[in-house]
Amino acid sequence: DVKVTQSSRYLVKRTGEKVFLECVQDMDHENMFWYRQDPGLGLRLIYFSYDVKMKEKGDIPEGYSVSREKKERFSLILESASTNQTSMYLCASSLWGVGYGYTFGSGTRLTVV
Amino acid sequence: RKEVEQDPGPFNVPEGATVAFNCTYSNSASQSFFWYRQDCRKEPKLLMSVYSSGNEDGRFTAQLNRASQYISLLIRDSKLSDSATYLCVVNIGTASKLTFGTGTRLQVTL
Repeated sequence: DVKVTQSSRYLVKRTGEKVFLECVQDMDHENMFWYRQDPGLGLRLIYFSYDVKMKEKGDIPEGYSVSREKKERFSLILESASTNQTSMYLCASSLWGVGYGYTFGSGTRLTVV
Repeated sequence: RKEVEQDPGPFNVPEGATVAFNCTYSNSASQSFFWYRQDCRKEPKLLMSVYSSGNEDGRFTAQLNRASQYISLLIRDSKLSDSATYLCVVNIGTASKLTFGTGTRLQVTL
């Protein structure tokens, strides 16, 4: 089974801090994604990557950046955390191409105070 | 119009009932379709892919209607453990990128 591992289950950070969320997958998937999920808004795509060192903006990239230096690792960075970034963050990976579903990590619940 | 639309529910059904959810999508070029299940405070997990001819997995049946641009999920003989949010997911045509509906909540009761 594909495993997608997110480094932290719960995280509390202060406003203005730089926050790193790490995600690692172990099945050689080309694609990796970062979503946030908020009640009533569903899953919203922040950034995604189809290859090492490649990144594309999703629907809500403002206030975030990403890094993919190795195929198995995709990091989400909150440059200066704000309270409106309090959310559940989900990382996912998939094979390249149409017809493949995603495998999600167990999520990081981030609270910014 | 949202790219993927679902009735948020909740659908409250007794154990043993049959329940069906529909989901509509706006882009006729969509190529692949899925149902995901998400338990409270957990990550979404793939329930089943949806194929043009329809497909079944135990008590779960998925159907695709391309002409009307909707997919459906039928759950027979509902169990308490089926209580979850069911997400409709569509590939809108950009390779590998999926679009998620906001989910339909199902609550199965005794």
